[in-house]
Amino acid sequence: QAVVTQEPSLTVSPGGTVTLTCGSSTGAVTSGHYPYWFQQKPGQAPRTLIYDTSDKHSWTPARFSGSLLGGKAALTLSGAQPEDEAEYYCLLSYSGVGVFGGGTTLTVL
Amino acid sequence: EVQLVESGGGLVKPGGSLRLSCAASGFTFSDAWMKWVRQAPGKGLEWVGRIKSKSNGGTTDSAAPVKGRFTLSRDDSKDTLYLQMNSLKTEDTAVYYCAYYRDSTAIHYDYWGQGTLVTVSS
Repeated sequence: QAVVTQEPSLTVSPGGTVTLTCGSSTGAVTSGHYPYWFQQKPGQAPRTLIYDTSDKHSWTPARFSGSLLGGKAALTLSGAQPEDEAEYYCLLSYSGVGVFGGGTTLTVL
Repeated sequence: EVQLVESGGGLVKPGGSLRLSCAASGFTFSDAWMKWVRQAPGKGLEWVGRIKSKSNGGTTDSAAPVKGRFTLSRDDSKDTLYLQMNSLKTEDTAVYYCAYYRDSTAIHYDYWGQGTLVTVSS
């Protein structure tokens, strides 16, 4: 099974910008991996922020965006808010089989 | 209102079996692509498997750690998703979530159940 890698932790200042990345042990991440990004807060179920690399749900704040960057999937948060402090997970698809990354703990400080 | 309600979790011995159910309401279940995701206590998310709608073939895909032991199925007449778990191991201990994430026309959704805890221990 492929291994999906994420930064274990990142810190961003309120109002600042941060980029979380998602890499694959099999090589470059492409749109064919249909990257997803999830946000999870303590005691809650995850919720999807981004699907298919860069598509957003209606509830996804405009300050979040998804892209492919340097062979990885990326989630960029522009204008961080205190409520964005959470765990973030990416999910890649390998011919229909999903693999989550280990998650990034984002601190807004 | 979309609702997903998991049930069937509990304590089971290693090597045992359990069947989880996910009762759906508030949407056209037969058109739904559904998935199971689990989370061990204090750990990250782990994708377990997914099942497509019957109009898209009804096929399933499972993660390597559970392949051959876990089986996803659905009963569209009962609006219910199932996860049959056999040969359970201590590392299968987790909260199991079902989720509705897209439909047969590729419209994406994001609805999750509250989760059901499975504990595998002797």
